[in-house]
Amino acid sequence: EAGVTQSPTHLIKTRGQQATLRCSPISGHTSVYWYQQALGLGLQFLLWYDEGEERNRGNFPPRFSGRQFPNYSSELNVNALELEDSALYLCASTQWGTDEQYFGPGTRLTVT
Amino acid sequence: RKEVEQDPGPFNVPEGATVAFNCTYSNSASQSFFWYRQDCRKEPKLLMSVYSSGNEDGRFTAQLNRASQYISLLIRDSKLSDSATYLCVSDGGSQGNLIFGKGTKLSVKP
Repeated sequence: EAGVTQSPTHLIKTRGQQATLRCSPISGHTSVYWYQQALGLGLQFLLWYDEGEERNRGNFPPRFSGRQFPNYSSELNVNALELEDSALYLCASTQWGTDEQYFGPGTRLTVT
Repeated sequence: RKEVEQDPGPFNVPEGATVAFNCTYSNSASQSFFWYRQDCRKEPKLLMSVYSSGNEDGRFTAQLNRASQYISLLIRDSKLSDSATYLCVSDGGSQGNLIFGKGTKLSVKP
């Protein structure tokens, strides 16, 4: 069974630009979660999507947004990039009714 | 106060040793708990869920103490391949928002 996939693996942007990160959940999983892991800060919850709707949001500014498509894949958009947005962005998915999250390999975003 | 707290370590142990990690959580409404392991620059991988009755998976045993609000992970007969950062996780009392500790680093030496 294929795991969670994310693209791209690496992304380099300059300050002020926009970044789009993509995630495909495990087949049969309907919920997608996004996390930011900056150096030394641990995983910080960003967004939770389920059945195409945003269900919960972490303590991040509105320039972090996303969506979930009918096939349950998801996109994270970060507008007006700042240097401190440089981090590993991880996507995870769960089956309906469970809390066990399975992570993709992440997208490493570097903002210069 | 951090919601999930762990000793960052590092724990340096010889192969074959038994090592235990503890973590505490602050939200008494938390219902689900997990241990993940994360290798350097890789994604977290689910190690085990933690149930009220405690659970064991091979060399790994997880315990939950709701009264004291702590979770433990015991690793017996440590292997070199167990070297990683172990993340303690709770649901923070609400669905869809797992709270991750910063992790405990384990280094198993030959």
